[in-house]
Amino acid sequence: QKEVEQNSGPLSVPEGAIASLNCTYSDRGSQSFFWYRQYSGKSPELIMSIYSNGDKEDGRFTAQLNKASQYVSLLIRDSQPSDSATYLCAARGSSNTGKLIFGQGTTLQVKP
Amino acid sequence: KAGVTQTPRYLIKTRGQQVTLSCSPISGHRSVSWYQQTPGQGLQFLFEYFSETQRNKGNFPGRFSGRQFSNSRSEMNVSTLELGDSALYLCASSRQDGTYGYTFGSGTRLTVV
Repeated sequence: QKEVEQNSGPLSVPEGAIASLNCTYSDRGSQSFFWYRQYSGKSPELIMSIYSNGDKEDGRFTAQLNKASQYVSLLIRDSQPSDSATYLCAARGSSNTGKLIFGQGTTLQVKP
Repeated sequence: KAGVTQTPRYLIKTRGQQVTLSCSPISGHRSVSWYQQTPGQGLQFLFEYFSETQRNKGNFPGRFSGRQFSNSRSEMNVSTLELGDSALYLCASSRQDGTYGYTFGSGTRLTVV
């Protein structure tokens, strides 16, 4: 069983729409969660982090965490073609070290 | 502020050889982690160093090793290279223990032929 699961997609949305990306994790002890964006041929870029249940907003991005359901999501409002990338969900292990467990990533395509 | 610097960017090695990759973290960052990224397996954790000590290790064979120096720079070594070691190797650094996320370098693309 994979520790962090994401739908690989591709998820296709029209420009200006809301893109919703989802992630589930298996380690109930995980405390910190991260969303990374990775463009083709580039390295992952941290776009959001979340540690507490609820929503966290940063510009067009909103991360949501539900620890009871072991579920993390990322909403991208007013999606732009430049948002087209692979989005990686990561959970920081319960051992309280810097080990991140990544999902396989969801490919997002924003069509003009 | 300089980012995480990885060298070299590209490497081509022959099976059986060994390779050393280098990573310079962001100034002030003491935690360095290494990941292997392949199309089939995605991003997989190799190991983490904090204050020159290996704090965590992933499920990779002993051919994969690393170390961290007093200036927080880190190296990873892969001995007896196999074709399956071809991957993008990413280094990431954090101020403390990764609580606030890691910043990745551009990676080293290793091709084993």
